[in-house]
Amino acid sequence: EPEVTQTPSHQVTQMGQEVILRCVPISNHLYFYWYRQILGQKVEFLVSFYNNEISEKSEIFDDQFSVERPDGSNFTLKIRSTKLEDSAMYFCASSEAIHTVTNTGELFFGEGSRLTVL
Amino acid sequence: AQTVTQSQPEMSVQEAETVTLSCTYDTSESDYYLFWYKQPPSRQMILVIRQEAYKQQNATENRFSVNFQKAAKSFSLKISDSQLGDAAMYFCAAGKVDSNYQLIWGAGTKLIIKP
Repeated sequence: EPEVTQTPSHQVTQMGQEVILRCVPISNHLYFYWYRQILGQKVEFLVSFYNNEISEKSEIFDDQFSVERPDGSNFTLKIRSTKLEDSAMYFCASSEAIHTVTNTGELFFGEGSRLTVL
Repeated sequence: AQTVTQSQPEMSVQEAETVTLSCTYDTSESDYYLFWYKQPPSRQMILVIRQEAYKQQNATENRFSVNFQKAAKSFSLKISDSQLGDAAMYFCAAGKVDSNYQLIWGAGTKLIIKP
């Protein structure tokens, strides 16, 4: 069964360092997403990406964050200068389509990348 | 703004019994979707069931069913014949139609299955 894969599963970094989290979405999917979950808190939407550009982003997704699809398979989340509060589990997801009245493009998640900022 | 509330941090049920997980939400949107996702220890979020708000009929998927009360803004998940493999965190989420899965999530309910 096709799946979304994420690397690394766990990354520890020093505050102020740049981090890149990688995701390989399901191959025929066109929409890509990042969510994060700070320990003990709710899952939060960060950004959605389609046709090589950001479709929607939340207030969390500030200038320190960027996303990229550098080739035909990878989808990356970059945090330019990490802060302590960026420590969280980051989930990548993909879907064949967005969820509309006539189309139920199911969302598929990866297993997450745990980021620890020291 | 949308909010999703899961008031049960943890629930436990005897294997083969039925359990209901609660979820309430608040939205001003007219077209929206509601979801239940399961997160087992493997961490991967898995869709359990979804409900389109415009549909009055409650969604069902095998042993999983929802009780969708639109006026009360309630969306509970019923798991029948609970199995050990059902043990996981369960998240309720809401999303606006055509919103690129900009989902609003509940805090989750940890479901423990007692053998």
